[in-house]
Amino acid sequence: NAGVTQTPKFRILKIGQSMTLQCAQDMNHNYMYWYRQDPGMGLKLIYYSVGAGITDKGEVPNGYNVSRSTTEDFPLRLELAAPSQTSVYFCASKAPISTDTQYFGPGTRLTVL
Amino acid sequence: AQTVTQSQPEMSVQEAETVTLSCTYDTSENNYYLFWYKQPPSRQMILVIRQEAYKQQNATENRFSVNFQKAAKSFSLKISDSQLGDTAMYFCAFMKSGTYKYIFGTGTRLKVLA
Repeated sequence: NAGVTQTPKFRILKIGQSMTLQCAQDMNHNYMYWYRQDPGMGLKLIYYSVGAGITDKGEVPNGYNVSRSTTEDFPLRLELAAPSQTSVYFCASKAPISTDTQYFGPGTRLTVL
Repeated sequence: AQTVTQSQPEMSVQEAETVTLSCTYDTSENNYYLFWYKQPPSRQMILVIRQEAYKQQNATENRFSVNFQKAAKSFSLKISDSQLGDTAMYFCAFMKSGTYKYIFGTGTRLKVLA
């Protein structure tokens, strides 16, 4: 099991550019999440998904889009990157069992200049 | 809405000693789960310990234990026999039972001193 994988590990974008952060999990988890972590802060939920074809907004969705065409993949799209989107992005997944916990990917450090 | 508060931004402890990290939360729910996650400098988020609110017994995982006070809405993490590898950010998190959304605190940076 690779668990939750994220690519790329690091990326620098210019203002106005777009990119997609990739996330994949091989645990057959229904639930997947995208968080951002600003320096010295906790995690803020951007988007989440309860299964293929179903996504919903979290606390801070503006400037992002997601899709979930398969159980395994949950890409996060940044359109028109802004300096405020400089952050570390974590993807996570979870089985539907209430007692189960989230499993996190290693994170993507994004800088927008 | 639920909130999670970690009032200690930074703490330090001598190697082999014991340290307690605080977490309080606010909810009107009766059934929920609480978690402590560790984030070392590698940034990987690692589950340390989990507590189900309906269980009165405090969870324990080796050197890590919690003091869960449901009425006080308090969920502190005790690390015994601290090791240098315990140096990390520690996040407290809340999840309402039957849902799948987590609320995280702002974290406590713990440094274990040799």
